[in-house]
Amino acid sequence: QVTLKESGPVLVKPTETLTLTCTVSGFSLSNAKMGVSWIRQPPGKALEWLAHIFSNDEKSYTTSLENSLSISKDTSKSQVVLTMTNMDPVDTATYYCARTSTVRADIDFDYWGQGTLVTVSS
Amino acid sequence: QSVLTQPPSVSGAPGRRVTISCTGSSSNIGAGYDVHWYQQFPGTAPKLLIYVNSNRPSGVPDRFSGSKSGTSASLAITGLQAEDEADYYCQSYDRSLSAVVFGGGTKLTVL
Repeated sequence: QVTLKESGPVLVKPTETLTLTCTVSGFSLSNAKMGVSWIRQPPGKALEWLAHIFSNDEKSYTTSLENSLSISKDTSKSQVVLTMTNMDPVDTATYYCARTSTVRADIDFDYWGQGTLVTVSS
Repeated sequence: QSVLTQPPSVSGAPGRRVTISCTGSSSNIGAGYDVHWYQQFPGTAPKLLIYVNSNRPSGVPDRFSGSKSGTSASLAITGLQAEDEADYYCQSYDRSLSAVVFGGGTKLTVL
């Protein structure tokens, strides 16, 4: 059974750094076709893709936030970590991690975590 | 402003058919990249509904179908049911942005 679960702070202050962890089970991050993305959704708004890490450790980021994002993985712990620096109230959102089981550019996400709401406020 | 354009809302009576459009450009759908669709109920994570333009994951009813042509894609839902009331998102890849892109989402109301 494939599951993903996000964890991290529910509240961060402006300018702080956010660190979120996605713990996966039911598959291995070292599997050749497996990758994990982080996607966020501000309250009442649309989904926004943030970053992706492939099984070979190749990474990609949304251009608008590329300088503030970092994605990494620890295969032995089955975890994918996203850090986002210089948080702002506009970054308040539910953050999801999601799995892809393909290596194409136009990846689809077949399993999602439940999401974690992060509020940015002083 | 989303790279992929969807109507903000659609509606239909139970039993009827509705379609949701997803309009892109020559740098995403028109470039040959596949389109995927997700269904999201309030307070829950999105669920993959259609992948690679027209394929349904196991467990998705055949009332849901997808198609792609040119720079656009569509999601069709036949035999509308009250339980279909949700938000629907299309997703693809944009080569100019080198990024995964989502549509702005469409809220389906079953009258």
